[in-house]
Amino acid sequence: DAGVTQSPTHLIKTRGQQVTLRCSPKSGHDTVSWYQQALGQGPQFIFQYYEEEERQRGNFPDRFSGHQFPNYSSELNVNALLLGDSALYLCASSLAAREDFFGPGTRLTVL
Amino acid sequence: AQSVTQLGSHVSVSEGALVLLRCNYSSSVPPYLFWYVQYPNQGLQLLLKYTSAATLVKGINGFEAEFKKSETSFHLTKPSAHMSDAAEYFCAVSDRNFNKFYFGSGTKLNVKP
Repeated sequence: DAGVTQSPTHLIKTRGQQVTLRCSPKSGHDTVSWYQQALGQGPQFIFQYYEEEERQRGNFPDRFSGHQFPNYSSELNVNALLLGDSALYLCASSLAAREDFFGPGTRLTVL
Repeated sequence: AQSVTQLGSHVSVSEGALVLLRCNYSSSVPPYLFWYVQYPNQGLQLLLKYTSAATLVKGINGFEAEFKKSETSFHLTKPSAHMSDAAEYFCAVSDRNFNKFYFGSGTKLNVKP
């Protein structure tokens, strides 16, 4: 079992650009959640996808959007990147929206 | 609304000493509580969880935590620290539908030889 996988591992973008991060859930899991972890802080919940629909959303602007595919994998899209979007983006999966199993994260740097 | 407060952003103990990492929560309803560990450049790994069964919860790597409703606390302990325990630890809370995990700001544990 590969667990939760994320790609890419690192990414560098400039302000105003758009970025797409990808996540494959742990085998058998049907729910994917995304978190933003700024340097020195705890993860902050962005949103959760279940049955290809956004089920829950944290306090993030509409620049942050996502998608879940029929195979339960997910994408996180961020438009109009700001310097403050630099962070580790964590994907977590779960079965029937129970406790999250986390992937290794994607480190996004916005210059 | 739910929130988590972790007292002490850095904790340093000697190898073999007791580890105590503090977590207090705020929740309008009885919550579920979790402790996660994060090693450098890695994601978070679940150590243990409280979901309203026994109030003393045992987790992996010898860690345990006790849910104390009267004190709104869920402190993490380990009787004897190992060098391999050096990492950052996060306490998290969710409602009983596992919606919207809220994490504390983390405590970095340093273990001295």
